[in-house]
Amino acid sequence: EMQLVESGGGLVQPGGSLRLSCAGPRFTFSSYWMHWVRQVPGEGLVWVSRVLSDGSSTGYADSVKGRFTITRDNAKDTMYLQMNSLRAEDTAVYYCTRGVAAMEDWGQGTLVTVSS
Amino acid sequence: DIVMTQSPDSLAVSLGERATINCKSSQNILYSSNNRNFLAWYQQKPGQPPKLLISWASTRESGVPDRFSGGGSGTDFTLTISSLQAEDVAVYYCQQYYSPPLSFGQGTKLQIK
Repeated sequence: EMQLVESGGGLVQPGGSLRLSCAGPRFTFSSYWMHWVRQVPGEGLVWVSRVLSDGSSTGYADSVKGRFTITRDNAKDTMYLQMNSLRAEDTAVYYCTRGVAAMEDWGQGTLVTVSS
Repeated sequence: DIVMTQSPDSLAVSLGERATINCKSSQNILYSSNNRNFLAWYQQKPGQPPKLLISWASTRESGVPDRFSGGGSGTDFTLTISSLQAEDVAVYYCQQYYSPPLSFGQGTKLQIK
């Protein structure tokens, strides 16, 4: 099992920014596509964004396009999600996941709460 | 965008009995060039992240008990648990990875009757 560890969650006011990190030092990080998936407590899973193994290509859900930016630093075995112009509806647990096809490994998640 | 719809939303099955969850995609997710269905099933227990059970619609992940099986092709898929165990109580999600935006079904909550 490949361990992924998210960090950076917390409480932020509407309109604010937050940067999430996902560290995956226990496997060949640079070989894998990486994703962010979020889940409002008690609700379902929603794909947010992905980045290809070399960072050359990214993709976003329409709900976050233009506000969130996914990047990765393979030298540091770390992926990031820069979240700007946060809204109340962005409140969720954010999971990082690994997989070119299906999402093979998941972190424990980090809670982001957007509230005044 | 591809919409994934699961049925039922919740299901109660007796221990040792069969449980079947359905998943329907709004578009074909069978890639003709390799004859593979770009569909996965995940299990999520309370307070835990999801766990991948099945990929390519029917390929069980290493360590997943063989009572779990996946089937279907094209737009209609099933997850079957042949003999329900207490530890199988969870929410189950299907997901397509055929084309972005990737999408999940709404989840099926499986309980013991």
